[in-house]
Amino acid sequence: KAGVTQTPRYLIKTRGQQVTLSCSPISGHRSVSWYQQTPGQGLQFLFEYFSETQRNKGNFPGRFSGRQFSNSRSEMNVSTLELGDSALYLCASSLAPGGREQYFGPGTRLTVT
Amino acid sequence: GIQVEQSPPDLILQEGANSTLRCNFSDSVNNLQWFHQNPWGQLINLFYIPSGTKQNGRLSATTVATERYSLLYISSSQTTDSGVYFCAVSGAGSYQLTFGKGTKLSVIP
Repeated sequence: KAGVTQTPRYLIKTRGQQVTLSCSPISGHRSVSWYQQTPGQGLQFLFEYFSETQRNKGNFPGRFSGRQFSNSRSEMNVSTLELGDSALYLCASSLAPGGREQYFGPGTRLTVT
Repeated sequence: GIQVEQSPPDLILQEGANSTLRCNFSDSVNNLQWFHQNPWGQLINLFYIPSGTKQNGRLSATTVATERYSLLYISSSQTTDSGVYFCAVSGAGSYQLTFGKGTKLSVIP
């Protein structure tokens, strides 16, 4: 069974631009979560989607948004990029939310200049 | 929210040595996972262990949910074990994983 895939793997953007990252979960998994990893803050939860509905959102500004499609694929968008948005963005999938084992993709490394 | 503390923050071992990594959490959990982050950033699942004991080769883990801690044991360490080990938990009714700051393990030949 294929694992979680994320595209693109690397991205360089300029401050003020917007970016869209994509995540395809493991086949059969319907829950997708997004996390941001930075050296200063560590791994932090962004949001979680299940059945195309956002179930939970972390403490991030409204510039961070996401969505999930009927095939469970998910995208996250960051508008008006800031230098501090440079990070590794990780996507995780699980069968269902709430206590189920989560499997992570390889991540998208975003650099904002 | 739930707090997760990992210790030690850094660990240097000689190849072949054994080690114990600890994860303390502040509230009851419905999910506890141990991950190894590889040099490219991917989180590799080691154990899903909200309670009890599991073993996988040279690695084993124990979670004592009533005392709110989990231990990851690495025996006969190899240089390929180097990297950062994360403990992550989710509390009852929560959908998100809260991560500890990790233990950076360096295994030297």
